[in-house]
Amino acid sequence: AQSVSQHNHHVILSEAASLELGCNYSYGGTVNLFWYVQYPGQHLQLLLKYFSGDPLVKGIKGFEAEFIKSKFSFNLRKPSVQWSDTAEYFCAVRGGNNRKLIWGLGTSLAVNP
Amino acid sequence: DAGVTQSPTHLIKTRGQQVTLRCSPKSGHDTVSWYQQALGQGPQFIFQYYEEEERQRGNFPDRFSGHQFPNYSSELNVNALLLGDSALYLCASSLGQPPYEQYFGPGTRLTVT
Repeated sequence: AQSVSQHNHHVILSEAASLELGCNYSYGGTVNLFWYVQYPGQHLQLLLKYFSGDPLVKGIKGFEAEFIKSKFSFNLRKPSVQWSDTAEYFCAVRGGNNRKLIWGLGTSLAVNP
Repeated sequence: DAGVTQSPTHLIKTRGQQVTLRCSPKSGHDTVSWYQQALGQGPQFIFQYYEEEERQRGNFPDRFSGHQFPNYSSELNVNALLLGDSALYLCASSLGQPPYEQYFGPGTRLTVT
């Protein structure tokens, strides 16, 4: 069965620190990969996505993620976080002809000013 | 361009009752997926509707049923509510073809007492 694992459940950083959130998935075929963000009191928003091509994808608000097929990973990065990045971050995977997204448990990020 | 809308925002029901949640997809989208997000968890796929038919279903009991209307809007019905059904119910819309990029509504917070 497909699954998604997010390594960090709670992360606390100071402003200007660098961020990397881990995401690993289990599926042997073609995948579409997503990172979603949920700001306090708001709904899920797409941060970035990978479908094919360049494995380094750039999203909104300075976020990027790298797809490493050999490691089944899709880690999220940001060089310098801001207080406004405080949110819940979810990694999601769609595998093959599957129409549903499989989600990780999420990572709660708190950025201290 | 209207995004995904859901109603109601919040709902309180008693065990054993039935509930109906509603979703209108993003303009131009023809596919609706429903997810359940328990507190501290990632969303869990309930089912997806396309062309007024259930296309794919997750591991949810038959108490969870749905419907899609000709205008692509959708309803989620839950019968014989249990305390464990308390969660945020998310609707996501997409086009009915790969890569099925999904856009989420704000959710309906259901509390079962």
